[in-house]
Amino acid sequence: ETGVTQSPTHLIKTRGQQVTLRCSSQSGHNTVSWYQQALGQGPQFIFQYYREEENGRGNFPPRFSGLQFPNYSSELNVNALELDDSALYLCASSYRAGTYNEQFFGPGTRLTVL
Amino acid sequence: AQTVTQSQPEMSVQEAETVTLSCTYDTSESDYYLFWYKQPPSRQMILVIRQEAYKQQNATENRFSVNFQKAAKSFSLKISDSQLGDAAMYFCAYRTSYGGSQGNLIFGKGTKLSVKP
Repeated sequence: ETGVTQSPTHLIKTRGQQVTLRCSSQSGHNTVSWYQQALGQGPQFIFQYYREEENGRGNFPPRFSGLQFPNYSSELNVNALELDDSALYLCASSYRAGTYNEQFFGPGTRLTVL
Repeated sequence: AQTVTQSQPEMSVQEAETVTLSCTYDTSESDYYLFWYKQPPSRQMILVIRQEAYKQQNATENRFSVNFQKAAKSFSLKISDSQLGDAAMYFCAYRTSYGGSQGNLIFGKGTKLSVKP
């Protein structure tokens, strides 16, 4: 069973640029959640995708957007990058059934905005 | 809105000893889940233990156990027989049981645990 993978591992962008982060969910999972973890902080929920549709969103502006593909992999896109977007971005996949679905996290993508 | 507070930014324990990490939370809901996650330097978040709010019995996973006090909204993690591999950031997290986004884990700021040989 393949776990959650994310790419790239690290990347550096400049303010105003756009970035796309990718996440491959664990085999059999149909739900992907994205989190932003600033340095020294706990992760903050960005949004969740279930069956290719956004299904819940945290307190993040519209320049944070996402996609989920038929194979349940997902992308996080951030437009007009700001310095405060520098963080570790985590994705977590789960199989949505009932009220509890354990999330399995990927290793994250470290984004630095200069 | 729900909040999770971890008041200990750093903790240290001697190998083979026991340590307790504290967590408090605030919610108006009666049914929810609580979690402890471990994040080693590799960055991958690993689930340590979970507790369903409707269960009065405290969850236990091998050397890890929790003290869940629902009325006090307290959820502490006890690590017994600490090992060097337990050194990591530990995050307390809350999740609603109700509809809407079931992905919305709310995390505390974390506690950095060091284990001394």
